[in-house]
Amino acid sequence: SQQGEEDPQALSIQEGENATMNCSYKTSINNLQWYRQNSGRGLVHLILIRSNEREKHSGRLRVTLDTSKKSSSLLITASRAADTASYFCATDARRETSGSRLTFGEGTQLTVNP
Amino acid sequence: KAGVTQTPRYLIKTRGQQVTLSCSPISGHRSVSWYQQTPGQGLQFLFEYFSETQRNKGNFPGRFSGRQFSNSRSEMNVSTLELGDSALYLCASSPVRGLAGSSSYNEQFFGPGTRLTVL
Repeated sequence: SQQGEEDPQALSIQEGENATMNCSYKTSINNLQWYRQNSGRGLVHLILIRSNEREKHSGRLRVTLDTSKKSSSLLITASRAADTASYFCATDARRETSGSRLTFGEGTQLTVNP
Repeated sequence: KAGVTQTPRYLIKTRGQQVTLSCSPISGHRSVSWYQQTPGQGLQFLFEYFSETQRNKGNFPGRFSGRQFSNSRSEMNVSTLELGDSALYLCASSPVRGLAGSSSYNEQFFGPGTRLTVL
């Protein structure tokens, strides 16, 4: 079962516009990560934000994390047609055992029209 | 560095058979995790291995098993295949930093996946 929910499920924008995707989760986390997937291929890691961080930037990506609301957002600025993909948030829940165990959201399908 | 590699990329099996999938992590990465992706259930965690030991396990039946070798390469096995096992199986490796093998602050790097079709 999915821990998180992503909103919207699908987003269609024009090149040059900004795209914002939201993710909500249910449990306390160590970190939250965003991934991109093109057409059923492997996942590409975009950015990791730790539970004690509130905002992180990487190139055209900006991620925010609000642990009080258990939510995160991914902003892609100045979008390009090549950004067309599915975007997933994944949480690494805080637990007693060590190691990673990512729980993924359902994903947002982003389409950037040229 | 070379990325995570998975073999085979595509596989077709029939119900009742068993299958073994292989994953080679990024050099130096000691943690390997496996995920199943289906249209209905999305991405679901199968298990994680670290130093040849299963460290975490998801909610899958015992037909799904795995192992990790001393060079960190990992295999997963699915026995008595069912139609519902048709999926994209993704392997991910993580560099593992921090104390006592904790990987809580590490990103995971995914391979291209193995597309398994069960007929």
